[in-house]
Amino acid sequence: ELKVEQNPLFLSMQEGKNYTIYCNYSTTSDRLYWYRQDPGKSLESLFVLLSNGAVKQEGRLMASLDTKARLSTLHITAAVHDLSATYFCAVDIVMGSNFGNEKLTFGTGTRLTIIP
Amino acid sequence: SQTIHQWPATLVQPVGSPLSLECTVEGTSNPNLYWYRQAAGRGLQLLFYSVGIGQISSEVPQNLSASRPQDRQFILSSKKLLLSDSGFYLCAWKQGYSPLHFGNGTRLTVT
Repeated sequence: ELKVEQNPLFLSMQEGKNYTIYCNYSTTSDRLYWYRQDPGKSLESLFVLLSNGAVKQEGRLMASLDTKARLSTLHITAAVHDLSATYFCAVDIVMGSNFGNEKLTFGTGTRLTIIP
Repeated sequence: SQTIHQWPATLVQPVGSPLSLECTVEGTSNPNLYWYRQAAGRGLQLLFYSVGIGQISSEVPQNLSASRPQDRQFILSSKKLLLSDSGFYLCAWKQGYSPLHFGNGTRLTVT
């Protein structure tokens, strides 16, 4: 069974600081996704990482994927209050030989609070 | 462009009552469709997924069921709700290597 673990679960950081959220997964996959969820809202897609060594950046967020280590990171640079949210990673696996049979398993989420 | 509609946004139902949540996708054909549930302050649990009309896979045994009567319609149902069914229900669609695209969710409170 695929397990996806994120750490830390809770992160409180000051504005202007840098930090990294880690996502480890237990089985082979080369497709990993990052999502953001604001309180009471649905999930919004942030990044799609489709190969070993993939790196994507958007504003103050940068995500990377190391499929050999089964590890993805979400790095936050010079945090601002607007980045306060819960961040989820999700790993995509294909079931059987049918490409269409895919499902995402989500990590536990990291609740990020940026303090002014 | 593709859009996903999910309704209702909120629902309060007594224990033992039936449930029907509906989700429709526009602007794409033959998507994979998913129902997830999120308990308060928790992660996402995959309940059902479908790769085509009438094809439903269940991830967790429970008193919920799902149906896909049309290509872009996905329905989550229950004959008798339990208190433990309370949560935030999210419908989503996906194709190929695209990310999951989520609806706005339904917040269900069973009283």
